[in-house]
Amino acid sequence: EIVLTQSPGTLSSSPGDRATLSCRASQSVTGEFLAWYQQKPGQAPRLLIYGASNRATGVPDRVSGSGSGTDFTLTISRLESEDFAVYYCQQYGRSPYTFGQGTKLEIK
Amino acid sequence: QVQLVESGGGVVQPGGSLRLSCEASGFTFSPYGIHWVRQAPGRGLEWVAFIRYDGRNQNYADSVKGRFTASRDNSKNMVHLQMNRLRPEDTAIYYCAKDPEAGSLRGYYFEFWGQGTLVTVSS
Repeated sequence: EIVLTQSPGTLSSSPGDRATLSCRASQSVTGEFLAWYQQKPGQAPRLLIYGASNRATGVPDRVSGSGSGTDFTLTISRLESEDFAVYYCQQYGRSPYTFGQGTKLEIK
Repeated sequence: QVQLVESGGGVVQPGGSLRLSCEASGFTFSPYGIHWVRQAPGRGLEWVAFIRYDGRNQNYADSVKGRFTASRDNSKNMVHLQMNRLRPEDTAIYYCAKDPEAGSLRGYYFEFWGQGTLVTVSS
């Protein structure tokens, strides 16, 4: 199975900062079939990005995804209070559809 | 709007069984596959199972293969997850999630999620 490793485990940032989250795959992800999700405490995850760089409906344009092959990045520019949460990457190029372990974005 | 509502969670002893349900509304149900994803308390996300739009194919994570079975009733907009021979490590919130691709033979990502139902396996 494809193992996804996210870094850092925790990122401390301030509102207005730019946050860069990394997701590295143990083997190439077919067709850039990579998604990102945001999860807040007590809530279900929410889709942010699919196909490595496509924003889901309703996701603000300060959230962007990039990357290909084995290295992917989620960037959130101009952090707002609503952005502090846990973020997961997920590959769907090959079953089993695996997740990274998550990056917690916390307020500094 | 798209809505997915899980039910059927609860406390069960190791070796026991439980049947989860996921009721969908707000979209045309029959063309879309449905996934089950779980999250152990304080842990990350784990994909569990996918059932194709017509119910004729499913695939499962190795951790549940042979113990869990997904099924669906397109006339009722429902998906079920039958969980047998439950283990303590199956304790988790179980989410159902809609696949984005109509008529697809395989799974993709998780476009919309339900709020989840908690399964606790403990003696």
